[in-house]
Amino acid sequence: DTGVSQNPRHKITKRGQNVTFRCDPISEHNRLYWYRQTLGQGPEFLTYFQNEAQLEKSRLLSDRFSAERPKGSFSTLEIQRTEQGDSAMYLCASSPSGQETQYFGPGTRLLVL
Amino acid sequence: AQSVTQLGSHVSVSEGALVLLRCNYSSSVPPYLFWYVQYPNQGLQLLLKYTSAATLVKGINGFEAEFKKSETSFHLTKPSAHMSDAAEYFCAVSGVGDYKLSFGAGTTVTVRA
Repeated sequence: DTGVSQNPRHKITKRGQNVTFRCDPISEHNRLYWYRQTLGQGPEFLTYFQNEAQLEKSRLLSDRFSAERPKGSFSTLEIQRTEQGDSAMYLCASSPSGQETQYFGPGTRLLVL
Repeated sequence: AQSVTQLGSHVSVSEGALVLLRCNYSSSVPPYLFWYVQYPNQGLQLLLKYTSAATLVKGINGFEAEFKKSETSFHLTKPSAHMSDAAEYFCAVSGVGDYKLSFGAGTTVTVRA
């Protein structure tokens, strides 16, 4: 049973560019979550999916951010027109439906220059 | 809404000494409570969780935590610190039926030889 995987692990981009991250959850986990973690802080919730449906979005998820989970399997998080304030670790987690424990991936560290 | 407060952003202990990390929660409903550990440049690993069963919860790597409703606390302890315990520790809370996690700011543990 492989864990949650995320790609890329690191991304350096210039301000104004678009970036896309991918998360592959644990097989058969219905729920998938995205969090953002800035230096010295705990992760903050961004959004989550139940299968392919995006059920909740945080106010942190501005209109430059979009997340998808086609077919209820992997998920992508896209940031358009990146800003330096977007620099952070983006964490993905998954859980079976109805269970409270979330299993986290290794994260994608984004640096916007 | 649920939230947690971790008291102390840094804790330094000697190898073999007691590790005590403090977490207080705020929740309008009976919460689920978690402790996660994060090693540098890695994702979060679940140490233990409280889900309204036994108030004393044992986790991996010799850690345990006690849920005290009267004190709204969920402190993490380990009787004897090991060098490998050096990491950042996060307390988190979620509500029943609302599985998104709210994290504390984290406590960095250093272990002195």
